[in-house]
Amino acid sequence: EAQVTQNPRYLITVTGKKLTVTCSQNMNHEYMSWYRQDPGLGLRQIYYSMNVEVTDKGDVPEGYKVSRKEKRNFPLILESPSPNQTSLYFCASRDTGELFFGEGSRLTVL
Amino acid sequence: AQSVSQHNHHVILSEAASLELGCNYSYGGTVNLFWYVQYPGQHLQLLLKYFSGDPLVKGIKGFEAEFIKSKFSFNLRKPSVQWSDTAEYFCAVNERGDYKLSFGAGTTVTVRA
Repeated sequence: EAQVTQNPRYLITVTGKKLTVTCSQNMNHEYMSWYRQDPGLGLRQIYYSMNVEVTDKGDVPEGYKVSRKEKRNFPLILESPSPNQTSLYFCASRDTGELFFGEGSRLTVL
Repeated sequence: AQSVSQHNHHVILSEAASLELGCNYSYGGTVNLFWYVQYPGQHLQLLLKYFSGDPLVKGIKGFEAEFIKSKFSFNLRKPSVQWSDTAEYFCAVNERGDYKLSFGAGTTVTVRA
């Protein structure tokens, strides 16, 4: 089954404690992306990757890092989380067609 | 940069009513267009997409959308909604050949039984 898998699905953490949200896709897609969803703001792109070792900033990259060492994985790293990074995060991948989304990771930073 | 506007923030209607959600985009070149739906507590799923051809596109669950190039619009419609259509709806656009997808702010649809 084609899918994008994110972990963890829910996380409560404290300011400054580094965390990583993993993302893996099984569709051999070259393009992967991270979005955050906030009420009234829709989905905003954080980072994206066109292929292995190729990443670029989206619209709201501040406070985030990513890496793309393998085609299937695209982890999102928060080196020093802050409360304004409390949000719902979605990983997605695509070829030339539709974007496939993961189930989402709800992050709360206290 | 591409921008996508969804005109309605929140729509409330009764079952069997007709639904139309507006979407406009700013880019004047060739685009691919999408509508995604997010049911409560779930991830985004594709409702329908337009790449080329017939500008009236039919999607899943009785939804359709019409691409009007001259108006830079891609409005979503459903003739008769059900309670299960309660969800958030997102319009998305990308320039042909560009992977980056730009999303509208979303429209929350509440269908009362």
